[in-house]
Amino acid sequence: GENVEQHPSTLSVQEGDSAVIKCTYSDSASNYFPWYKQELGKRPQLIIDIRSNVGEKKDQRIAVTLNKTAKHFSLHITETQPEDSAVYFCAASGDDKIIFGKGTRLHILP
Amino acid sequence: GAGVSQSPRYKVAKRGQDVALRCDPISGHVSLFWYQQALGQGPEFLTYFQNEAQLDKSGLPSDRFFAERPEGSVSTLKIQRTQQEDSAVYLCASSFQKAGDEQFFGPGTRLTVL
Repeated sequence: GENVEQHPSTLSVQEGDSAVIKCTYSDSASNYFPWYKQELGKRPQLIIDIRSNVGEKKDQRIAVTLNKTAKHFSLHITETQPEDSAVYFCAASGDDKIIFGKGTRLHILP
Repeated sequence: GAGVSQSPRYKVAKRGQDVALRCDPISGHVSLFWYQQALGQGPEFLTYFQNEAQLDKSGLPSDRFFAERPEGSVSTLKIQRTQQEDSAVYLCASSFQKAGDEQFFGPGTRLTVL
């Protein structure tokens, strides 16, 4: 079955700097890659997603890149702000279940 | 409805008790998913329904866990003879058609087994 690895588990960046979170997946049949943000005690919220027919997608300060050959995808957050502090999860899916990574706790330092 | 809802939000059970957790998906969403999220971990897949059909239950940890969605809308996750290791947040999500569509999560039920 699908296996998703996520790195780093914790990331601290100065406010205004960029943050990058990386994930790898194992199942070449996976074709949908969402990223979720989860604040403490809250539900996961989708922030961006990408499908396998696209190599990059951007939404304001957030971008995701996908390398299907290498089976890895990354989340890039630019000009980080205090409200970006949260746990971020990558995930991979075919046409059935979604498998999540273990998460990255992002700290934005003042 | 406005979003996915779950009840109860918090449940405390004594070891050995049975519990039932409810999920109300977004109206019209075909697919429904249950996840278990332990503290500091990512959501772990439990089971998946498309309408009333349970298409995948490979993530259920033991035969003490049972899920149903008899009319293709509301779903119930039942845990029999709860154990301390069952303590976690149980998240429900729904999507319009299939797993490859955006999943909308409910607020979760925090289960504590004493």
